[in-house]
Amino acid sequence: NAGVTQTPKFQVLKTGQSMTLQCAQDMNHEYMSWYRQDPGMGLRLIHYSVGAGITDQGEVPNGYNVSRSTTEDFPLRLLSAAPSQTSVYFCASSDRAGQFFGPGTRLTVL
Amino acid sequence: QQQVKQSPQSLIVQKGGISIINCAYENTAFDYFPWYQQFPGKGPALLIAIRPDVSEKKEGRFTISFNKSAKQFSLHIMDSQPGDSATYFCAARRGNQGGKLIFGQGTELSVKP
Repeated sequence: NAGVTQTPKFQVLKTGQSMTLQCAQDMNHEYMSWYRQDPGMGLRLIHYSVGAGITDQGEVPNGYNVSRSTTEDFPLRLLSAAPSQTSVYFCASSDRAGQFFGPGTRLTVL
Repeated sequence: QQQVKQSPQSLIVQKGGISIINCAYENTAFDYFPWYQQFPGKGPALLIAIRPDVSEKKEGRFTISFNKSAKQFSLHIMDSQPGDSATYFCAARRGNQGGKLIFGQGTELSVKP
């Protein structure tokens, strides 16, 4: 099992550009989530999903879109990148045993 | 509004000592409290977790103590080792919100040899 995989590992964008951060899990977990990690602020929930076709907003959803067409995949879209979205992004999937994180994507918006 | 508050922000401990990290929460509907360990450049990894029906859970050198009336829980690392140097996060979740963890701000632990 690969667990939770994320691509790309690093990305540099210019303000206004769009991109999609990919996330996939092979554990057949119902729940998937996206977090951003900023220094001194812990991890903050952006969006989450309780199953295919169902998504909901977290603490900091503005500027991000998600969709969940399959159990395995949960992409995060930045429609028009802003410098405030410079961060490390983590995808996670979970079941009753706990929540398991991917290796992260480091995004810089210039 | 910070629903989970963690302290201290950083901690230095000598090898063999006890590391203690504290968290406090506000929402009494939380019923699952995990701790995560994160090394630089890696994703957080689940370390240990507790539910409020017990006051303590131990796994190896790691122990969670839970005080429901005070709405506080803490992580104790016994016989701390340099390899334990990492950032530790506490978190909380309501039982019916499987993908929705609320994290504390993190504690950077450094264990000196």
